[in-house]
Amino acid sequence: GAVVSQHPSRVICKSGTSVKIECRSLDFQATTMFWYRQFPKQSLMLMATSNEGSKATYEQGVEKDKFLINHASLTLSTLTVTSAHPEDSSFYICSASPTGGTNEKLFFGSGTQLSVL
Amino acid sequence: AQSVTQLGSHVSVSEGALVLLRCNYSSSVPPYLFWYVQYPNQGLQLLLKYTSAATLVKGINGFEAEFKKSETSFHLTKPSAHMSDAAEYFCAVSDNYGQNFVFGPGTRLSVLP
Repeated sequence: GAVVSQHPSRVICKSGTSVKIECRSLDFQATTMFWYRQFPKQSLMLMATSNEGSKATYEQGVEKDKFLINHASLTLSTLTVTSAHPEDSSFYICSASPTGGTNEKLFFGSGTQLSVL
Repeated sequence: AQSVTQLGSHVSVSEGALVLLRCNYSSSVPPYLFWYVQYPNQGLQLLLKYTSAATLVKGINGFEAEFKKSETSFHLTKPSAHMSDAAEYFCAVSDNYGQNFVFGPGTRLSVLP
């Protein structure tokens, strides 16, 4: 089956630093990728839709200047949390939708646990 | 560690028929359980969640799910399918701290006229 690799799985950083999270589709091309965030004891929340070669579409309430998304190729999307603060500590997960298919199937990365000190 | 299985990658029902999507989980700690739906070209949308309160959980669009610890199941049901219910459905589990969030492989629901 299709594999989505997300890296790193866990990161601890100091407040004020930036953190980059990568999401790769290993055996398929993905025009569209999605980024989600989950706070403890809550459900997953869609942050943004990432489209290859164009600007990401952010959900209401998500700061586009803080959560920078780059989808420069059909197999890689990155999420950069800029000037991270403790309230950004969360679980981040990506998903990818294969290009050329029915776009009804999503494949998920394994997630990144971000802890900001 | 948590894991999720969804029996049936593709389920077809007739409009007006009962919808039953199966989800079984394994977890070494009391789990939180979720059902999400994905419509074409969209991200996930939360249908419902179980977080250790009532075992029968009601969600949006007439869906509900029942947590059965003895069966390690969290099956999703809807009494009467609508054409608009055709989508991909994902079951997910996390521990009760929101850690170790794991998705099932998904079940595509088709609704036949």
